[in-house]
Parts: sequence; C-alpha cells; structure tokens
Amino acid sequence: QKEVEQDPGPLSVPEGAIVSLNCTYSNSAFQYFMWYRQYSRKGPELLMYTYSSGNKEDGRFTAQVDKSSKYISLFIRDSQPSDSATYLCAMRGNYKLTFGKGTLLTVNP
Amino acid sequence: GAVVSQHPSWVICKSGTSVKIECRSLDFQATTMFWYRQFPKQSLMLMATSNEGSKATYEQGVEKDKFLINHASLTLSTLTVTSAHPEDSSFYICSAKDLTDTQYFGPGTRLTVL
Repeated sequence: QKEVEQDPGPLSVPEGAIVSLNCTYSNSAFQYFMWYRQYSRKGPELLMYTYSSGNKEDGRFTAQVDKSSKYISLFIRDSQPSDSATYLCAMRGNYKLTFGKGTLLTVNP
Repeated sequence: GAVVSQHPSWVICKSGTSVKIECRSLDFQATTMFWYRQFPKQSLMLMATSNEGSKATYEQGVEKDKFLINHASLTLSTLTVTSAHPEDSSFYICSAKDLTDTQYFGPGTRLTVL
C-alpha cells in the first residue's frame, strides 16, 4: 500500500462548480498536510497548509483533515477556468514531504 | 510569499555530459533545500535533502555519485547531473524550507538528454 493515495483523474467540471479533491494516507506519523497547485511545466505552488483535524478556509478554498480516517480533502468553490491545473496533496511527519500523484483538474468555461 | 528560483529553466545536452542546475531562495535564508524529480504524469519524488555546509542526504536508490549536490550558502544549492544519459531526462524541481518549516518550490528545470 502506498503511503499516500490520490486519484489522478482527470476531473472535468463546468465553471462555477464545487470541486472536491481527496487523498488518503496510511502513515500515522504524518502531522502536517498541504495542498499544492501545479500548472503544466511549472513548480508546485502552496495553496493550503494545515496541522490539525478540522477545516481551514482561504477564499474559495477549504482544506479538510480527518486524522481518524486518514483522509484529507480540498474543496474549491465557484471554480474558474484559471483553476485548471494538477492538484497535489502532500504530507509530512518530521521533515520529508510525501506527495500524492496529483489530480488533473479542468474547469470548462 | 517566499520566492525560489531555478536556473536554467530548460536544458538540452548530449549523452555523457554533465549539467548543473542552480536553486536560489531569493528573499529568505534556507538552511535546508530539497531536490525532487518528476516524470510525466507522476508525482514528485524526493531525491535528496541538502543542508547548508554539510553533505546531502540521498534517498534510497538515488546515486550520490551521479547526482552531486552542493549547498554552499544559505540561499544557493546546486544539483549536478554527471555523465547524463537519456534516462535522466526529467523535470527537476528544488524547494527551500523557511523558518516555519514551509517548503517553497522553484519553477523547475526540464532536462533533456539526447
């Protein structure tokens, strides 16, 4: 079993839709959870950073962590074509980040 | 937010030559930088952790003699791919960790070995 599982998609939604992206993990040592956005041929950009279970909101983005289920989510409200990218979940115990495979999202105008 | 730059953004080289990639933290000091490799439609795979003033720590399966890492200052780390071969063609991305342990990524370097 991989440490981090993420459905690679692709996921295609109409503009304005609510997008739900998810990752599961198996390593209980993971304490920090992040979501990165990566445009084609670019480096990842940090979107959300959470430590504890619960929700964290930043504009149209909401990150959710459920440590008991080892499950994290990223919700995007009112999705825009500019949100089209690959979204990577990442997790960290001590210092090393472990990434999911990334989900390719396309928001159609 | 913190900015990390990489140079060059892309490079094409002949098989057997060496290529150096630079990673710089532009507005913060980074005692720790990381080097990742990403193949098409795959996730980022950590290659090595680079600590300023000391030897890099390589992940299992990464050849330290092939991928030379130098972290000579708090704002610069370099990755040298020695005797590059076509299978080394990939997208190489560095990241730098700030005082809050947050990692900021560079824009990546696309290496093509002919």
